[in-house]
Amino acid sequence: GNSVTQMEGPVTLSEEAFLTINCTYTATGYPSLFWYVQYPGEGLQLLLKATKADDKGSNKGFEATYRKETTSFHLEKGSVQVSDSAVYFCALSGGPNTGFQKLVFGTGTRLLVSP
Amino acid sequence: DAMVIQNPRYQVTQFGKPVTLSCSQTLNHNVMYWYQQKSSQAPKLLFHYYDKDFNNEADTPDNFQSRRPNTSFCFLDIRSPGLGDAAMYLCATSSRGGMETQYFGPGTRLLVL
Repeated sequence: GNSVTQMEGPVTLSEEAFLTINCTYTATGYPSLFWYVQYPGEGLQLLLKATKADDKGSNKGFEATYRKETTSFHLEKGSVQVSDSAVYFCALSGGPNTGFQKLVFGTGTRLLVSP
Repeated sequence: DAMVIQNPRYQVTQFGKPVTLSCSQTLNHNVMYWYQQKSSQAPKLLFHYYDKDFNNEADTPDNFQSRRPNTSFCFLDIRSPGLGDAAMYLCATSSRGGMETQYFGPGTRLLVL
């Protein structure tokens, strides 16, 4: 079945440092890939997504590129802020013409940014 | 703004006392989901409605039920809450399943005494 593997956290960085959170996946066909962010005590918010190979999703300075050859969707940000401290979930769902498939989450990576 | 709303944000119940959590959406989406999220874990899908069709996950306990009286509202009923049911409950919606983006509500944190 489909699965997502994320690097374990916590990831601890100083403000303005470069961020990478690794995500790899196993899936048949061409799934859609997502990064969701969860701030303390809140629900999940969609951060970015990509629906086909070589697509780059971007939002709020975060980027991730759908790499089919390496089955990866790593999250990057050039300069993190304290306000980016949160838990980040990589997820996938079935591609087009695959019928209904639920969202499959990774285990989440906690990011802690200090001033 | 169109959104997913969950009430209440915090719910305290007693062991074995039925409790209902509610979710509403203004997105007019076909699909509504209920997830359970325990501390430091990924959300776990309990069930979803595709329009009026209910789809239960195989490992969802019978203690958890759901109702969707119309497109906008969906309820999660826990018939006899146990201590292990204390968690954050997240509602989400999507216009269809599969590759469509899911939009999450803020969650209801359930405490069982």
